[in-house]
Formats: sequence, C-alpha cells, structure tokens
Amino acid sequence: DTGVSQDPRHKITKRGQNVTFRCDPISEHNRLYWYRQTLGQGPEFLTYFQNEAQLEKSRLLSDRFSAERPKGSFSTLEIQRTEQGDSAMYLCASSFSGEETQYFGPGTRLLVL
Amino acid sequence: GDSVTQMEGPVTLSEEAFLTINCTYTATGYPSLFWYVQYPGEGLQLLLKATKADDKGSNKGFEATYRKETTSFHLEKGSVQVSDSAVYFCALRGGSQGNLIFGKGTKLSVKP
Repeated sequence: DTGVSQDPRHKITKRGQNVTFRCDPISEHNRLYWYRQTLGQGPEFLTYFQNEAQLEKSRLLSDRFSAERPKGSFSTLEIQRTEQGDSAMYLCASSFSGEETQYFGPGTRLLVL
Repeated sequence: GDSVTQMEGPVTLSEEAFLTINCTYTATGYPSLFWYVQYPGEGLQLLLKATKADDKGSNKGFEATYRKETTSFHLEKGSVQVSDSAVYFCALRGGSQGNLIFGKGTKLSVKP
C-alpha cells in the first residue's frame, strides 16, 4: 500500500480556466476528505465522502467547485472558472470508518495567474 | 463553532533545546486531538493523537497530554534535533462528519 496519492502535484492555470484534481485514497478506506491550505494557514475542510456519497460540503465550497467519488474509490475535485483566490494547496485525506486518524496525500499545489 | 488556537511561529531553537508548542481548543463535547507535522516538501503526517481526557500521545520523543480542564494539548519534546525542523499543526476531530479542524501551524527551525 503506497498511501494516499494525488495528481497532479502542481498545476498552473490562467484565470477563467477549469482544472480537475484526482485523489486515490488508501485502498480499504471508505472515507475521503478534501481540504484546502493557503500560505501560512492550516488546512480547511472542503467536503467529505463516505463511499460514493458526498455527505457534507463546507461553505468554502462555492458553486464553482464540484467533487465526485463515482465508485467509492478515487475522487476528483473540479474548479470551474478559476480565480486568483483559488490559488492554494488542495489536500486529500482518507480514513476507515471507526478510525480516528486521517491519512493525507502530498497535495496538489494550484497557482492561478 | 469548534476551533484550534496554537502558538504563532516561527520558533527557532538550538539542537538539544526543550520544545513546547502551545495549543488550545474550543469545542462542544470531548473531541479527539491530534498533532500533525509537515516536513519541507512533504505532506501532512500524523505525529501523535489523544482520544480522551488525560490521555498522553507520544511518538518520536514528542508528547502531548489532553487536558480537559484547560482545553489544551501542548506539544513537548525534551531535546530537539535539526531533523525536527518542520511545521507543526494542532487539530481536533470535529464537525458532523469527523473532519479535522486545524490551527494555523507553527514553523520550527532547529539550528545545529
């Protein structure tokens, strides 16, 4: 098991473009979380999946953001019409029901020009 | 709502010095508490955790005790090494679905 992986690791895009990030959780983990981390801040919760169901979305997740986990395995996070304020590190974490610990991927660093 | 406040950094210490990074929290109930560490160029890693009052989490020489009466979870290490240089995040497991709520992080630099 190689842990949580994320792709791409870095993304530079122009304002107004759409971007999509992928997260592959640890294989037996049924819970998957997305967080956003801006410079000098701790990660902030965006959304949560249990299996394929998206059970909670933060108010930080504007209408331009959408996340899916179609088969209860990998997840994608799409940002439409990117803005400079979307520049951040996007982190994915996974855990197993009943376990307290969340395991984080390396993150995708997004820069919107 | 739930929140975590941790000591502002950066913290610069000499090797073998004693480390304390303060963390206090506000939460309903008794959440599990965590310290995560982010080494340069790497992802967040769990350092230690405590799930109930008076529990002590420990790992790699670091310790933190869950203090309900002071709503604190301070991180300590008796003798830091250069390799401990990293950003340390205190967090609690809150929210309706168990998402983590993080402090802003404390950057530690250890000089030889």
